[in-house]
Amino acid sequence: AQSVTQLGSHVSVSEGALVLLRCNYSSSVPPYLFWYVQYPNQGLQLLLKYTSAATLVKGINGFEAEFKKSETSFHLTKPSAHMSDAAEYFCAVTSSGNTGKLIFGQGTTLQVKP
Amino acid sequence: DTEVTQTPKHLVMGMTNKKSLKCEQHMGHRAMYWYKQKAKKPPELMFVYSYEKLSINESVPSRFSPECPNSSLLNLHLHALQPEDSALYLCASSQVAGTEAFFGQGTRLTVV
Repeated sequence: AQSVTQLGSHVSVSEGALVLLRCNYSSSVPPYLFWYVQYPNQGLQLLLKYTSAATLVKGINGFEAEFKKSETSFHLTKPSAHMSDAAEYFCAVTSSGNTGKLIFGQGTTLQVKP
Repeated sequence: DTEVTQTPKHLVMGMTNKKSLKCEQHMGHRAMYWYKQKAKKPPELMFVYSYEKLSINESVPSRFSPECPNSSLLNLHLHALQPEDSALYLCASSQVAGTEAFFGQGTRLTVV
């Protein structure tokens, strides 16, 4: 069964610092991979997606992620954190068979300090 | 328009009540989903509808009953819920099953 591991349930950075949120997946074939952000008491917003077209994926709000098959990783980065980036971030992978089921990681809470 | 609209935003219901959650999208998506999210946890899939047919039921108790009246609407009928069913219920849609999903803002359900 596919799984997603997000290293670090809580990440704290200073405003203006680099944001790095880690995600590793287990899959025998290149999956579809996603990063979602969730602000308090809201739904999930799609930040970016990997669908095998390009290994470096740019998303909204200045975020990007790089797909590394050899490392089975899809880490999320942003060069300069903003206070408004504070939220919960989920990495997700589609399950095999294109059923539509998303397998989520446990989430990483990003705290941005002034 | 990439919006999935869920109503109501908040719902408090007793264990003997019957209520329904509603979800609507006008993006022409043919797959729609119900997820349940407990506090500090990732969303957990409940149901998948593909082309208005139920394609996945993740062994959800029968007190939750989904319905897809047409390609734009998805309902979740609730009956005889338990306090542990209190959670954020998220609806999502995608162009077809397996492509990126767009989520609604959720319904915060409290069972008393």
